[in-house]
Amino acid sequence: DSGVTQTPKHLITATGQRVTLRCSPRSGDLSVYWYQQSLDQGLQFLIQYYNGEERAKGNILERFSAQQFPDLHSELNLSSLELGDSALYFCASSVGLTSGQETQYFGPGTRLLVL
Amino acid sequence: AQKITQTQPGMFVQEKEAVTLDCTYDTSDPSYGLFWYKQPSSGEMIFLIYQGSYDQQNATEGRYSLNFQKARKSANLVISASQLGDSAMYFCAMREDNNNDMRFGAGTRLTVKP
Repeated sequence: DSGVTQTPKHLITATGQRVTLRCSPRSGDLSVYWYQQSLDQGLQFLIQYYNGEERAKGNILERFSAQQFPDLHSELNLSSLELGDSALYFCASSVGLTSGQETQYFGPGTRLLVL
Repeated sequence: AQKITQTQPGMFVQEKEAVTLDCTYDTSDPSYGLFWYKQPSSGEMIFLIYQGSYDQQNATEGRYSLNFQKARKSANLVISASQLGDSAMYFCAMREDNNNDMRFGAGTRLTVKP
């Protein structure tokens, strides 16, 4: 158990809908990262938050947004969902901002299926 | 742009034998971290081992060791005394100090045979 929690574990929805994925980081970690894992694209970094502020953006679509709350939990919002958004979404956390030298610990993931 | 290459889509190893999973990377940043993660069929990503670009010695964590050859830009994972529970996907990843984007390789599926 990494200490990172994600809910829900599974999510099935229809095209055009909006969903929210939730993540709680490990105790003491200030940075939260979101990743998407799909069969065709592999593991892709989406976005990072540090202590409530956005720090880095990766391959995140404009239909997707995220935020980190004062209690450090984070939510990833996916809207106008398309079939291709079906994937495993991971949240990871790390202590702080020191980038390359810091280990990220992953949550169990949310498996999203868009029908 | 940083790039991670894992050239072995699949590997087989006999139980109790050692196996090496290959990983090469490309970066112009002198300071970076290299990571290996294990993803069993259940889907979670489990951190295994970390190597910093300035570390002089190869990292070890139990049965896992990282064969770090900086000049060749390779960071191979060595699993000793393979167990059936080691069967999983293994991902190599890198993150540069000047870039918050952690990049992953395509992964290697390891199957341990009894």
